[in-house]
Amino acid sequence: DGGITQSPKYLFRKEGQNVTLSCEQNLNHDAMYWYRQDPGQGLRLIYYSQIVNDFQKGDIAEGYSVSREKKESFPLTVTSAQKNPTAFYLCASRLAGNTGELFFGEGSRLTVL
Amino acid sequence: GDSVTQMEGPVTLSEEAFLTINCTYTATGYPSLFWYVQYPGEGLQLLLKATKADDKGSNKGFEATYRKETTSFHLEKGSVQVSDSAVYFCALSEGSGGSNYKLTFGKGTLLTVNP
Repeated sequence: DGGITQSPKYLFRKEGQNVTLSCEQNLNHDAMYWYRQDPGQGLRLIYYSQIVNDFQKGDIAEGYSVSREKKESFPLTVTSAQKNPTAFYLCASRLAGNTGELFFGEGSRLTVL
Repeated sequence: GDSVTQMEGPVTLSEEAFLTINCTYTATGYPSLFWYVQYPGEGLQLLLKATKADDKGSNKGFEATYRKETTSFHLEKGSVQVSDSAVYFCALSEGSGGSNYKLTFGKGTLLTVNP
């Protein structure tokens, strides 16, 4: 079955450490997105990529980095510069040219100890 | 920039009650509008969508009509079930489908349906 796989589902990190969240899709979608979800704040866009080797900052990109070396993969690195990294992170993808439906993974919950 | 405002929850209803979750938006262009649903511990799933004014999206008994004159896209269901308990997000599309295309979400409304 096609879909989006995020890993790990749960992750604990000490302050000052970088951590990378994986996102892989086998839907052959062109665009991929990373959102952060916090209670009462909804979803906020971190980074997005419409094609391989290209990506744009979203609304809250500070303290995060991404790469898009392959169409299927869009990993997110949460760096030590991110002040409040504890959150639920959601990856999504979209087929280019459609009317905007995003397909989401099941999320990764990061907790900084 | 574009934005979405939806009613704050939580909303608590009894089974078979009528549901309305309000959503209004501001946009400079002609966005598509969406409702997504998130069940506990999961990612979001598309519930319904509408791509132009006066379109009605519907799915699983839920409906929403794209009202350009009131910039609204309210979600309704005539008779909710316990299994409808979830967080509901209203969203709009920004950009023209090219490199700047993205979705902007409201803050979400938690719905709890009691038996």
